[in-house]
Amino acid sequence: DIVMTQSPATLSVSPGERATLSCRPSQTVGSNLAWYQQKPGQAPRLLIYDASTRATGVPDRFSGSGSGTEFTLTISSLLSEDFAVYYCQQYNKWPRTFGQGTKVEIK
Amino acid sequence: QVQLQESGPGLVKPSETLSLTCTVSEGSIRNHYWSWIRQPPGKGLEWIGNMYYSGTTISNPSLKSRVTISVDTSKNQFSLKLSSMTAADTAVYYCATGRGWYYFDYWGQGTLVTVSS
Repeated sequence: DIVMTQSPATLSVSPGERATLSCRPSQTVGSNLAWYQQKPGQAPRLLIYDASTRATGVPDRFSGSGSGTEFTLTISSLLSEDFAVYYCQQYNKWPRTFGQGTKVEIK
Repeated sequence: QVQLQESGPGLVKPSETLSLTCTVSEGSIRNHYWSWIRQPPGKGLEWIGNMYYSGTTISNPSLKSRVTISVDTSKNQFSLKLSSMTAADTAVYYCATGRGWYYFDYWGQGTLVTVSS
C-alpha cells in the first residue's frame, strides 16, 4: 500500500496568516492526489483533485501543488472557517489511501 | 447535486455482520461510481471499497473477504456488508461518490457503528 505521510500533525496559525501543509506518498503517485477538509462532526469535503485543481465552489485561497512524492496544500490567508483537519488521498494505485491528517488550529 | 444518506444499525455485536445502506437522491445511481469509507473515532480515513452501478467492485485487501458491496438500481441504493465484526471495526461509516474510481466529491453525513456485546 502507498503510505501517505502528512506534516505537521498540528499547525498553529493566526487568522489572516498563510498555512502550508505537506503530504508525502511513500512512492510516486504522479498527480493523482486529492485534498479534503473535515470539520468536527462533518463529513470530509473535497478541496483539490489532480494535485492542483480546485473542486467546485472552493475559494481561491486554497491551492495545491506538487507531483510524484511531494505535495503541498496552501491556504493563503486563513479565515475562521478554515480551522479544521486536512487529509490528502492518493488515487494512483489500489487500495486508495489517506494521510493521517493535519489539524490546523487557531494560534 | 447528488445527496447521500447512510442508514443501518448503530450497534453491532462482535462476530456479527454489519449491513449498511446508502440512499442516493437528487441523482441516479446509474452511470456513477460509489464508495464506502470509514473513520474510527478520533482517527483518520480508511477506504473500504468502490463499486460501479453495473456491479463491478473493488475493495481494500486489508478487509480481506469480509466486504460485500452491492447495488439496487430499482431503489437507487447501494449497500455494504462487513462480516465478522470486531471492536476494531467501530467507526463512522460514510458512503460517497466521485469522479470515476478516483476521489470522492460527494459524501453522506456518516453513521456511527459501535461494535459491542
